[in-house]
Amino acid sequence: QVQLQESGPGLVKPSQTLSLTCTVSGGSISSGGFYWSWIRHLPGKGLEWIGYIYYTGSTHYNPSLNSRVSISVDSSKNQFSLKLSSVTAADTAIYFCARDNDSSGHYHTFDFWGQGTQVTVSS
Amino acid sequence: DIQMTQSPSSLSASVGDRVTMTCRASQRINRSLNWYQQKPGKAPKLLIYTASSLENGVPSRFSGSGSGTDFTLTISGLQPEDSATYFCQQSYSSAYTFGQGTKLEI
Repeated sequence: QVQLQESGPGLVKPSQTLSLTCTVSGGSISSGGFYWSWIRHLPGKGLEWIGYIYYTGSTHYNPSLNSRVSISVDSSKNQFSLKLSSVTAADTAIYFCARDNDSSGHYHTFDFWGQGTQVTVSS
Repeated sequence: DIQMTQSPSSLSASVGDRVTMTCRASQRINRSLNWYQQKPGKAPKLLIYTASSLENGVPSRFSGSGSGTDFTLTISGLQPEDSATYFCQQSYSSAYTFGQGTKLEI
């Protein structure tokens, strides 16, 4: 059973960079057919997909966040990471990492998720 | 962006009922539509993928249908544990988007 776990600071100051890491267990991040995504749940709003990375390092980001987002992968540690720069209070959310399955009949479905981590942007 | 609109925003039902909720896309997305269940404080759980395929381990009382722009999630024989918020998500466009959710109270 694949498991994902987010880690990182729960409080970030405005204008700084939010940094989170997702550790994957029970499966290899280098398995083909799977992308690794970050998703956030904004308070009072719905879920927003942030972006994904493939184990090769190929990335794709939500255009609305593209200029501020960077996702990287460390296959040796079975981890991938999110950096979101120039944060404001509007970036306060619960951040999830998830496996994006593009195999076995799935077409980019999020089939495994981390528990989520609350990140608050405040001075 | 493809906008996903869910209705109703909330509904109340009883154990044993059959409920249906809908998700509408702002443009045609073929069958690239997934449904998730989220309970408070928990991560979303995949229920249905590609509009009507049941994810492994999900009870058969959950079913999905639709194609193009209009999709439905049906729960037959409601159980108390089905109380949750349900989200749809389109994977047709590479900028994935989610609906705002339907909160189901039992």
